[in-house]
Amino acid sequence: QQPVQSPQAVILREGEDAVINCSSSKALYSVHWYRQKHGEAPVFLMILLKGGEQKGHEKISASFNEKKQQSSLYLTASQLSYSGTYFCGTEDTGTASKLTFGTGTRLQVTL
Amino acid sequence: DGGITQSPKYLFRKEGQNVTLSCEQNLNHDAMYWYRQDPGQGLRLIYYSQIVNDFQKGDIAEGYSVSREKKESFPLTVTSAQKNPTAFYLCASSRMLSGARYEQFFGPGTRLTVL
Repeated sequence: QQPVQSPQAVILREGEDAVINCSSSKALYSVHWYRQKHGEAPVFLMILLKGGEQKGHEKISASFNEKKQQSSLYLTASQLSYSGTYFCGTEDTGTASKLTFGTGTRLQVTL
Repeated sequence: DGGITQSPKYLFRKEGQNVTLSCEQNLNHDAMYWYRQDPGQGLRLIYYSQIVNDFQKGDIAEGYSVSREKKESFPLTVTSAQKNPTAFYLCASSRMLSGARYEQFFGPGTRLTVL
């Protein structure tokens, strides 16, 4: 079962903040975040692990609540380049390489 | 430059024909993956491989087949048994190390249209 992302879409003005949520019905080992621009391949942003370790983008932060099986991606002082579709990928089987992706959150940043 | 290449970028096939999508990586990654993406949808895992000569089914493997004869190559065959093969296909790879988690690197994708 795919993780649920919210909101499905959001429009921001440059400089505004946004939060994208990812919720799973299963216990999670890790959560990955990717951004995909139209017609392009997804690009890695962040990995969050059980126990609090994070690896990823300097200007984007995220949280992982293991008990709630949720992760949130925080986009602050958004730039035009942040536009795209954001996907969370969850690892729920303990197989490090097997991710289940959400349906995505479309973010548009305008002037 | 290290990376993942997929070819072709666009592919058109007649209904009922098998078609093979190419994926090659020179990142020396152990794990490789195939995903399918439909408009407005997320990425759904078709097959993945953690080591040469071994692969596992993902969530939507029916109608697809793969091979992993070389570390750098993971071709995907879309067979005539796949009911609705028109989609954007993404190949990815990642490092593998017991107990560690690594990001997946994606190729540029192949857009398959079945006429």
